[in-house]
Amino acid sequence: QKEVEQNSGPLSVPEGAIASLNCTYSDRGSQSFFWYRQYSGKSPELIMSIYSNGDKEDGRFTAQLNKASQYVSLLIRDSQPSDSATYLCAVNIRGGTSYDKVIFGPGTSLSVIP
Amino acid sequence: DAGITQSPRYKITETGRQVTLMCHQTWSHSYMFWYRQDLGHGLRLIYYSAAADITDKGEVPDGYVVSRSKTENFPLTLESATRSQTSVYFCASSDLGANYGYTFGSGTRLTVV
Repeated sequence: QKEVEQNSGPLSVPEGAIASLNCTYSDRGSQSFFWYRQYSGKSPELIMSIYSNGDKEDGRFTAQLNKASQYVSLLIRDSQPSDSATYLCAVNIRGGTSYDKVIFGPGTSLSVIP
Repeated sequence: DAGITQSPRYKITETGRQVTLMCHQTWSHSYMFWYRQDLGHGLRLIYYSAAADITDKGEVPDGYVVSRSKTENFPLTLESATRSQTSVYFCASSDLGANYGYTFGSGTRLTVV
């Protein structure tokens, strides 16, 4: 059973601080990694994708990938109350003779305190 | 309107009834997916489709049926609804498949009583 694990939280950070969200995955063959943000009662929204080891930055968001450790993280700099949401880590699973598919972690709830 | 739309937004049905959740996308994306989201389990893949007339099972397919006769539509049918199928159902689509991220619909909240 391929798995994606995250700390469920809630993670609370003060406004302006760095929020660090972590994710581990079990399938060593995974090639694509994603972070989705989901506000309460809404659908998930893709905010970052990363495919190579190292860091990828997009505005206040930085995704970090370490395939050897099977670890991916998301850093949110200068956290704002509007960043309060659940963050879902997602990983592609190689389908072998079938098609690749994506499985999701349970999500980490982030609360940014003004 | 362009995008991915799900209907209905809310549905209450009785145990044993058949119910169909609709998903329609206007981008002509090849790939479409159905997930369910439950507290404690996160998002779990039910079925996915790589193209019209090509579908495959995900993590939790039992009790569900899908079809994809047209690229833009991917309906999900619960053949005989059970209380354990009470959930929020999300449809998603992608033009390039599992390696490039998805766009999700707004979801259908289904309650089976």
